[in-house]
Amino acid sequence: EAGVTQFPSHSVIEKGQTVTLRCDPISGHDNLYWYRRVMGKEIKFLLHFVKESKQDESGMPNNRFLAERTGGTYSTLKVQPAELEDSGVYFCASSQDPRGTGTNEKLFFGSGTQLSVL
Amino acid sequence: LAKTTQPISMDSYEGQEVNITCSHNNIATNDYITWYQQFPSQGPRFIIQGYKTKVTNEVASLFIPADRKSSTLSLPRVSLSDTAVYYCIVDRGSTLGRLYFGRGTQLTVWP
Repeated sequence: EAGVTQFPSHSVIEKGQTVTLRCDPISGHDNLYWYRRVMGKEIKFLLHFVKESKQDESGMPNNRFLAERTGGTYSTLKVQPAELEDSGVYFCASSQDPRGTGTNEKLFFGSGTQLSVL
Repeated sequence: LAKTTQPISMDSYEGQEVNITCSHNNIATNDYITWYQQFPSQGPRFIIQGYKTKVTNEVASLFIPADRKSSTLSLPRVSLSDTAVYYCIVDRGSTLGRLYFGRGTQLTVWP
């Protein structure tokens, strides 16, 4: 079974440019999440999709970040325009709905996109 | 979300058992305790999850006392490949997927 895949693995851009990160979740997972770790800090939640709908976007830092999930499949995270403080590793994760399973949720993470803004 | 406290780092030698303890004094009734492992240049990976008593799988064991204010992740006979950061997360189902990772514990296994 294919895991969560993210593209690109690395991206180096200049301040003011636009970058789009892509995430392909595990097939059949309705929940999709974006997290990021900026230099020296902890991994932090950005937002959560259930299928194509944004369930919780309270972690998005500002309106330069736009996430979409077309058709409830893959997701993109666009940063426009990028700033120096946006540098970090962006992780995507997906999960199945755990309700009715007697357990809590288990997230499957991708390897992340290392974003460097110069 | 309940805050967790765990050691910043631990060292061990190959073949030893490693126990990483996490405290979560403010854990709520509906909270689960979940541990993730992260290798360099990879995303976190789910290891084990429990609600109370003991849970064991092919990777680790998780011990949770009756008051649930702490938990211990036990890794039997570690190898060099177990060198990673381990995160203890108190996870409430109502905040689906919004996990608080904290700093984690950097485990280094030496030959």
